[in-house]
Amino acid sequence: ETGVTQTPRHLVMGMTNKKSLKCEQHLGHNAMYWYKQSAKKPLELMFVYNFKEQTENNSVPSRFSPECPNSSHLFLHLHTLQPEDSALYLCASSPEGGLAFFGQGTRLTVV
Amino acid sequence: GEDVEQSLFLSVREGDSSVINCTYTDSSSTYLYWYKQEPGAGLQLLTYIFSNMDMKQDQRLTVLLNKKDKHLSLRIADTQTGDSAIYFCAEIFDSGNTGKLIFGQGTTLQVKP
Repeated sequence: ETGVTQTPRHLVMGMTNKKSLKCEQHLGHNAMYWYKQSAKKPLELMFVYNFKEQTENNSVPSRFSPECPNSSHLFLHLHTLQPEDSALYLCASSPEGGLAFFGQGTRLTVV
Repeated sequence: GEDVEQSLFLSVREGDSSVINCTYTDSSSTYLYWYKQEPGAGLQLLTYIFSNMDMKQDQRLTVLLNKKDKHLSLRIADTQTGDSAIYFCAEIFDSGNTGKLIFGQGTTLQVKP
């Protein structure tokens, strides 16, 4: 248990669906991250939030829409995804410039 | 640019030592990390080393850092079948006020009984 909780753990969605991934931490960290892990590719940073402000968008397609309402919660809203978006989506949090702790991830399958 | 590279696969016998190697490019990294990922699970922080250290030992784990060559290694002594997992090396790349972690591709460690 890392203190970073992601829900759901598994998600299957159609290409026309809209769904959201949720991440929650109560570690007092000010930075939160979304990463994507696809088969046979390095872990890819998608978004970074620092004190609720987005500080990094790593050229992510607009069908992925992050939301950070407060420093403890991070969402990733999904709509009109493609099968190649199927992956493990990992959330992480860290204090400023410090050690990152990861959630268990959401295994997303787009059909 | 920011880049972290690892070999993709390592196979060892139970009881042997495993050494997983990593090279990185950003010499200003303050921390370097090793994460472990078991099947179906998220990343677990295994250990880390400050950039002003050469070595860190934590039970069966030994981390060696060669700053001149930008080379990091993780040694697992007396490797067990439960150590079978993917191991990721990562460095922090400072981007404004937030450091972002840059990961290698991961090394799959297979431990044979």
